[in-house]
Formats: sequence, C-alpha cells, structure tokens
Amino acid sequence: GAVVSQHPSRVICKSGTSVKIECRSLDFQATTMFWYRQFPKQSLMLMATSNEGSKATYEQGVEKDKFLINHASLTLSTLTVTSAHPEDSSFYICSASRFDRGIADTQYFGPGTRLTVL
Amino acid sequence: AQSVTQLGSHVSVSEGALVLLRCNYSSSVPPYLFWYVQYPNQGLQLLLKYTSAATLVKGINGFEAEFKKSETSFHLTKPSAHMSDAAEYFCAVKGGTASKLTFGTGTRLQVTL
Repeated sequence: GAVVSQHPSRVICKSGTSVKIECRSLDFQATTMFWYRQFPKQSLMLMATSNEGSKATYEQGVEKDKFLINHASLTLSTLTVTSAHPEDSSFYICSASRFDRGIADTQYFGPGTRLTVL
Repeated sequence: AQSVTQLGSHVSVSEGALVLLRCNYSSSVPPYLFWYVQYPNQGLQLLLKYTSAATLVKGINGFEAEFKKSETSFHLTKPSAHMSDAAEYFCAVKGGTASKLTFGTGTRLQVTL
C-alpha cells in the first residue's frame, strides 16, 4: 500500500509556457501533500505544503504566483509552473502524507517529474 | 526546530561488506525519524521509520536502524551489501506533530565488486 503516482514523468517545454504536474495517492487518502524540488546531486527542498480544500503554504523564497498548487481532492494535488523559464528546470517530487497506525504520519513519495525548459 | 546531519556524503563498500550510514539529529521535541532511498531519476522510497515503538527498527531490503537517544543518532546498517543497494540515502526527522520533514544532505552509497 501507500502508492503515489506523478504525471508526467518527464516534460520538455518552451520558455514562457505553463506546465502542470499531477500527484495522486492511489490507495489512500491524503489530507496533506507536499511538493519538493531537487537539484542535481542535492537534497530535497520543500516548496510548499498542500492541504485538501485550502490554500497551500509556501516556504520562504518560493514564488506562489509562479508555482500554483491546487489540492482539489483527498487523492490529487497539482503543481503548475507558470511562464516557465530555463532556471525552473529541475526534478520535482511530490509526497502524500498517510497517518500510519495512529502513531504518526508518514510521507510517501511519487516517482518525480523531470522538467526541462528550453 | 529540528535538523539532521549525515556524516559522509559518499560511502563506498565492497559487495558483502557491512553498510553503515550515519545520521545524527537534533529536535526540541521527541522525534520521528525516517530513512529513504533514492535510485537515479526516481522518487524516494521509505526504507524504515522510528516512531518510538521500538529503538531497533527493521526495514525493507535487509536494512535496519537503531535509535539512540543519548547519542542523538539513527544510523542505518545492513550486514551484507549488495550491488543493488547502490543509491542515495536520505535521513529525515519530523518533530512531534509537525507535518514537515527535515532532510539530511544525503549519502551516496557505492558498492564495488
């Protein structure tokens, strides 16, 4: 159990276009989802925390107007990179939080999306 | 506030040798600790987690970790390395009821013949 999918796995777009990435929890409901960005050979950088039915909470330095997050249901969150530029090229990973055995919630990660902006 | 320190950004072991990846944490509240593994161009897979039920935690693929409060450590071990264990390993901490994870900088494990 605890499978999280992301779509697409890879996207190449032209500068100035918008790209939408979907994150789905396939076999559990997730009230909280997270979006991370990972640069080559580096750790994950949390971009935002997304709660179902409410506005996302962005980390300091993350432009909320550029990275639009929508969490419309308990199994789906989307990240839209608006007016993408080459510097937005990166590996984007989502995670979904599941409350395990009444002890603590655990984040389960999607496979990631490689975004390349030309 | 919490933080994680992973000592050694790169560890190399021979196939069949002991794997030891170090993780030290800092947390102002009782922590929950996690180890994740990441293969190239993939997301993170949960290896194991400590949630205060038992100090020695067994995970998938033969890995285990021991929570040592006195040493603020949560080192990851595996008795015998396999070539398929070559990957990036991340230690992460969550403080109490906080939802966010704080990740370490990662340790790349190389397994040689």
